[in-house]
Amino acid sequence: KAGVTQTPRYLIKTRGQQVTLSCSPISGHRSVSWYQQTPGQGLQFLFEYFSETQRNKGNFPGRFSGRQFSNSRSEMNVSTLELGDSALYLCASSFLGGVTDTQYFGPGTRLTVL
Amino acid sequence: DAKTTQPPSMDCAEGRAANLPCNHSTISGNEYVYWYRQIHSQGPQYIIHGLKNNETNEMASLIITEDRKSSTLILPHATLRDTAVYYCIVRVDIYKYIFGTGTRLKVLA
Repeated sequence: KAGVTQTPRYLIKTRGQQVTLSCSPISGHRSVSWYQQTPGQGLQFLFEYFSETQRNKGNFPGRFSGRQFSNSRSEMNVSTLELGDSALYLCASSFLGGVTDTQYFGPGTRLTVL
Repeated sequence: DAKTTQPPSMDCAEGRAANLPCNHSTISGNEYVYWYRQIHSQGPQYIIHGLKNNETNEMASLIITEDRKSSTLILPHATLRDTAVYYCIVRVDIYKYIFGTGTRLKVLA
């Protein structure tokens, strides 16, 4: 079974631009979560989607948004990029997102904001 | 805030068992303990999880104390490829993980 895939793997943008990252979950998984990883803050939860609905959101500004499609694929968007948005963005999928559901992570998208 | 405390770094000789401790003294009765590792800023890799009983799989063993306030991840025969940051996570929310700072394990040849 194929794992979680994320595209693109690397991205360079400039301040003020916007960016869209894509995540394809493991086949059959319906829950998709997004995390941001920076050297200073570590791994932080952004949001989680299930059946095209956002069920949980972390403490990030409204510039960070996401969506999920009917095939469970998900995208996240960051508008008006800031230097501090440079990070590794990780997507994780699980079957239902429940307490015993293991999340499986993709390889991440490395975003650099200049 | 993370509900786990881990030592920032550990060394282990290749071929020996690596024992990584985790303190989760405020864990609730229905919260699971999960272990992941992250190699060279790749995506975290799932290792094992448990509730109250000890667990073993092809990668590792998880020993949870009887009072559930701490646990130990055991890699029975560490190799150089096990060098990574290991995260112990207590599942506090059904939709998300709260990661701590992890333990940087270095396996020495």
